[in-house]
Amino acid sequence: DAKTTQPTSMDCAEGRAANLPCNHSTISGNEYVYWYRQIHSQGPQYIIHGLKNNETNEMASLIITEDRKSSTLILPHATLRDTAVYYCIVVGSDSWGKLQFGAGTQVVVTP
Amino acid sequence: GAVVSQHPSRVICKSGTSVKIECRSLDFQATTMFWYRQFPKQSLMLMATSNEGSKATYEQGVEKDKFLINHASLTLSTLTVTSAHPEDSSFYICSASQYGIANQPQHFGDGTRLSIL
Repeated sequence: DAKTTQPTSMDCAEGRAANLPCNHSTISGNEYVYWYRQIHSQGPQYIIHGLKNNETNEMASLIITEDRKSSTLILPHATLRDTAVYYCIVVGSDSWGKLQFGAGTQVVVTP
Repeated sequence: GAVVSQHPSRVICKSGTSVKIECRSLDFQATTMFWYRQFPKQSLMLMATSNEGSKATYEQGVEKDKFLINHASLTLSTLTVTSAHPEDSSFYICSASQYGIANQPQHFGDGTRLSIL
């Protein structure tokens, strides 16, 4: 599966949109982009995933560039409860859907 | 939403004992379940993939005789840490996927914090 690169940390202001970037320049055509987050001492939480098109759900939006080499997770109105480590993971179609976690981005939402 | 329950949430044992951790999918049937380990200030590391009714597939470097995985039903997988030692102390997390395919998210339990004295 393709590797991903994310910033180590980001600070966001409460109530503002949080834009989390992810690079996956070696992604192949049948690989999905997934986002999970982990709040301290809990299991990870699924946020959103996509293949080519932009996706939106009740938690976030996922914007994938046309060449699929990068993506951005958007939390439209960050709250203090969004403070977590956010993981961008590429998942191949021949891998049972297994996830290989990188270091992720530590997001801190401040009042 | 999909709920995965993990039990126990915390366990403290003496060195040399075996510890069993259960992972249950409560509102869906999980063809595939995964086990991860996480050390302090580190990311999750995939240990193994288990498909219902089959032997687990272990990641490189994970001892299959040390970490016994059973996935006997579509709603239950167990991880047994055999003859546990202090270096096995860690946060163990399971996840479940209904069909084990790339276009379907995994849903995670809340983890088990294992401390071996």
